[in-house]
Amino acid sequence: KQEVTQIPAALSVPEGENLVLNCSFTDSAIYNLQWFRQDPGKGLTSLLLIQSSQREQTSGRLNASLDKSSGRSTLYIAASQPGDSATYLCAVGGNTPLVFGKGTRLSVIA
Amino acid sequence: GAGVSQSPSNKVTEKGKDVELRCDPISGHTALYWYRQSLGQGLEFLIYFQGNSAPDKSGLPSDRFSAERTGGSVSTLTIQRTQQEDSAVYLCASSFATQYEQYFGPGTRLTVT
Repeated sequence: KQEVTQIPAALSVPEGENLVLNCSFTDSAIYNLQWFRQDPGKGLTSLLLIQSSQREQTSGRLNASLDKSSGRSTLYIAASQPGDSATYLCAVGGNTPLVFGKGTRLSVIA
Repeated sequence: GAGVSQSPSNKVTEKGKDVELRCDPISGHTALYWYRQSLGQGLEFLIYFQGNSAPDKSGLPSDRFSAERTGGSVSTLTIQRTQQEDSAVYLCASSFATQYEQYFGPGTRLTVT
């Protein structure tokens, strides 16, 4: 059974800092990995999707990497801003629909 | 274009009552998913539909939960004889097909009193 772990559970950084969020999964037989953002009381916003054949994807200040063989993904956020404060969720897609980690709650302090 | 929409946004019901939650997927998306997000439990898969295939119900927690998708578009999740442990946010997502990027709706917050 696929299990997804996100570390750290919470992170607080000053504005402008670069940061890395970590995601690990137990079964490397995946089709893709998706990073989401969730604001309090809201649904999920898709940030980046990495197919299993890809190593990384970039969107603006966000860069996500995937190392399928080691069961790891990272989300890099450059020059963090207070508006980046949210919970970031990693989800792995395989033979079954997405399996989610419990998320990292990010606070960017102005 | 319009995203995934869900209704109602909030639902408060008494224990033992039945509830119906609705999801309108993005037009043209053949795959539709239901997830549940509970405090301390994270997001868990409930059921998904792909085109005209039989739905994957493997995530439904009990036989009180059921879902249907009419005409390959709108979906309704029904919870019969609600219990307090059913209180959660129910999220719907759709994608062009399975293994494609999933887009989520805003969710329905269900509170069972």
